[in-house]
Amino acid sequence: DTEVTQTPKHLVMGMTNKKSLKCEQHMGHRAMYWYKQKAKKPPELMFVYSYEKLSINESVPSRFSPECPNSSLLNLHLHALQPEDSALYLCASSRLLGLAGGNEQYFGPGTRLTVT
Amino acid sequence: SQQGEEDPQALSIQEGENATMNCSYKTSINNLQWYRQNSGRGLVHLILIRSNEREKHSGRLRVTLDTSKKSSSLLITASRAADTASYFCATPPRETSGSRLTFGEGTQLTVNP
Repeated sequence: DTEVTQTPKHLVMGMTNKKSLKCEQHMGHRAMYWYKQKAKKPPELMFVYSYEKLSINESVPSRFSPECPNSSLLNLHLHALQPEDSALYLCASSRLLGLAGGNEQYFGPGTRLTVT
Repeated sequence: SQQGEEDPQALSIQEGENATMNCSYKTSINNLQWYRQNSGRGLVHLILIRSNEREKHSGRLRVTLDTSKKSSSLLITASRAADTASYFCATPPRETSGSRLTFGEGTQLTVNP
């Protein structure tokens, strides 16, 4: 199974709402990622988890809160978002091979988030 | 900040023609990867070329890497309408964890039937 799944596919939320994005993989990958992608732009890395521990936070505002409950699941908790946070949120996973190894990433289909 | 720059930003060709996209990067790398993204969907890994390789093939894809010029190219031969997508190069900088991929700005390829 080389699939990364994400739910929901679409999400509309108000600025006072709390919601969560979910991501799951069963490839045994020990690195998982959240990216944000605006229209016609490349994905921008938000967070990286290695062995269920947060290893990279790219100075993301605290209204985004990641969580990795186990090696297969990754959540992104959203609270008090702004309209400019509207974007496609992509989850990815990969093996951890260190500096010398390849680390191709497997992406989920994304969650299209609209903040009103 | 994005490390890679790609050109052209947009490319429109007829089915059957070849498409060439270029990517430049700034720092030393261990490998360079190419991904494809269909509109509004997730990215799909196409090919990885290591810093000690100069050329790599996979089906209709040919990737070259010139580390002296810090550039790479992706050639798609005999293009099909289904190849219409955005193509991104991505690099993990050598001095950082291999987990951090930085994507180029991407090339939007349109293959007309």
